[in-house]
This record gives sequence, structure tokens and C-alpha cells, in this order.
Amino acid sequence: NAGVTQTPKFRILKIGQSMTLQCAQDMNHNYMYWYRQDPGMGLKLIYYSVGAGITDKGEVPNGYNVSRSTTEDFPLRLELAAPSQTSVYFCASSFKGFYEQYFGPGTRLTVT
Amino acid sequence: GENVEQHPSTLSVQEGDSAVIKCTYSDSASNYFPWYKQELGKGPQLIIDIRSNVGEKKDQRIAVTLNKTAKHFSLHITETQPEDSAVYFCAARVGSGTYKYIFGTGTRLKVLA
Repeated sequence: NAGVTQTPKFRILKIGQSMTLQCAQDMNHNYMYWYRQDPGMGLKLIYYSVGAGITDKGEVPNGYNVSRSTTEDFPLRLELAAPSQTSVYFCASSFKGFYEQYFGPGTRLTVT
Repeated sequence: GENVEQHPSTLSVQEGDSAVIKCTYSDSASNYFPWYKQELGKGPQLIIDIRSNVGEKKDQRIAVTLNKTAKHFSLHITETQPEDSAVYFCAARVGSGTYKYIFGTGTRLKVLA
């Protein structure tokens, strides 16, 4: 199993550009999550999904969108990138909500 | 809103000594508390967790204690080794029926050889 994979690893965006961060898992997990990690801070939940077709907002959803058309994939869309979205983004998955979360390696995004 | 405070932010110990990291949570309905270890350039990895019906849990050199009344939980690492050097995060599940987690701000542990 590859576990949780994320692409790209690094990206630089200009203000106002858009992009999609990809996340995929091959563990047949129902639950998937997107977090952002700012320097010296903990992880903050952006969006999560409990299954295909079902998504819900976390602590910091503004400026982001998600979709979950399959069990395996959970892309995060940034529209009109802003400098405040400069961060490291982690995708995670778990079998159920009460179980261990497995994290991907992260995507480092810089918006200038 | 819900909050998790974590202390200290940095911790240096000599190899072989013990390390303790403490977290306090605000949501009295929280019932699941995982601890994650994050090595440089990698995603967090679960090292131990505890549920609210248990006061203590051990796994070799790692233990977690939970005090529900005081709403705090702690990570204890004994006989520290250089490979324990990393950033450690505590987290608390929000409420008892959600799948949201609030993370602490992290503790950078340095084990000095």
C-alpha cells in the first residue's frame, strides 16, 4: 500500500491564481481530512469527508473547496489564492472517525 | 470555541532522561485524545492515543495519562533516545459525535546525546 499520497510536494502561486491539491489513499478508508499547518502552529482542519459525496467544513474553510466523488480521492481546491494561504497542507484518512488518522507527506504552498 | 493548549513549546533533555508534555482541553465532551510525532519534512504519525474511559495507557517507553476532571492529558517518554527528537502534537476530538480534531501547537523535543 502507498498509504496517503499528495501532489504536488511544492508549489508557488501568484496572488489570484487557482490550483488543486491532490490527495489519494489506497487503504479503503471512508474518512478523509484536509489540514493546514502554519509555522509554529498546530494543524487546523479545513474540510473533512465521511464518505463519497459527503463533505463538511472544519475550522478554517474560507477560500477553499473540496469534493469527494470517489472513496480514494479528496482534492482541495484553492480559488483566488491569497498570501494568507501560504502554508503546509496535509491530507489524512482514517477507517472511521474514531480511529487513527494516517497523514500524507504534505504540500508546501507559497502564495506571493 | 474549542481549544487545546500544549506546553512546553520546546523541551531539551539528556539522552536517557524522561520527557513530559502536557495538554489542556476546553471541550468537556471530548472523548478521544491522540498524540502525534512529526519528523522534519514528514506528516504527523500517531504514536499513542487514549479514550476518555481510561486514565492511563502505556506502550513500551511511551505513556499517556488523562485527567477528565481537570481536562488535561500528558505524554510521558522514558529513557529518551536521539531518535525521539521531533515535534509532538496532542489533539482532542471535538465533542463525542463529530470527526473533528483540535490540535495543540506542538512541542519540539530535542534529545541531547
